[in-house]
Amino acid sequence: GEDVEQSLFLSVREGDSSVINCTYTDSSSTYLYWYKQEPGAGLQLLTYIFSNMDMKQDQRLTVLLNKKDKHLSLRIADTQTGDSAIYFCAVRRDYKLSFGAGTTVTVRA
Amino acid sequence: DAGVIQSPRHEVTEMGQEVTLRCKPISGHDYLFWYRQTMMRGLELLIYFNNNVPIDDSGMPEDRFSAKMPNASFSTLKIQPSEPRDSAVYFCASSLSGGATDTQYFGPGTRLTVL
Repeated sequence: GEDVEQSLFLSVREGDSSVINCTYTDSSSTYLYWYKQEPGAGLQLLTYIFSNMDMKQDQRLTVLLNKKDKHLSLRIADTQTGDSAIYFCAVRRDYKLSFGAGTTVTVRA
Repeated sequence: DAGVIQSPRHEVTEMGQEVTLRCKPISGHDYLFWYRQTMMRGLELLIYFNNNVPIDDSGMPEDRFSAKMPNASFSTLKIQPSEPRDSAVYFCASSLSGGATDTQYFGPGTRLTVL
């Protein structure tokens, strides 16, 4: 199956930018997603990018895709305490989503 | 809409007992997905349905697991008999269609503990 890898933890100061990285193995992945999971809750779709795009920006979120290196990143500008959560990278092939292990982002004052 | 509804939110049972997890997808959604989340294996797709029909159950770990969708508004995931290694958070998700850009909406999950 698809291998999706992420770093497990990220600590960032409030107001700084956060960058969460993800690598995957299947070059035929069509769509790539970022989900957010807050404590005790399900996953919430934040944003997605099609595999023929390099970048997508949505308010404070910027997604960068390097298809050659199979590397995906999520940048959160002006990180706030409400951004503390687990962030999952997911890649899609056919109808299946394969998820990374999740990056726990902690925002400190 | 209330979103995807799962019940119970927490379940504690003893090894060997039957466990039934329930899901109500968002009205009008044609696709329903069951996922399992553990520390060791992360988030795994167990099975998904399209128009109440199971399409891919290759993620179901073994015969102890079964899933049904008797109608468009209800699905169950059953474990019989349950084992301690089944302890996990089980998520149900639904989407309007199976399209690549179609969002999967997740329920709050059922935290299962098998003693």
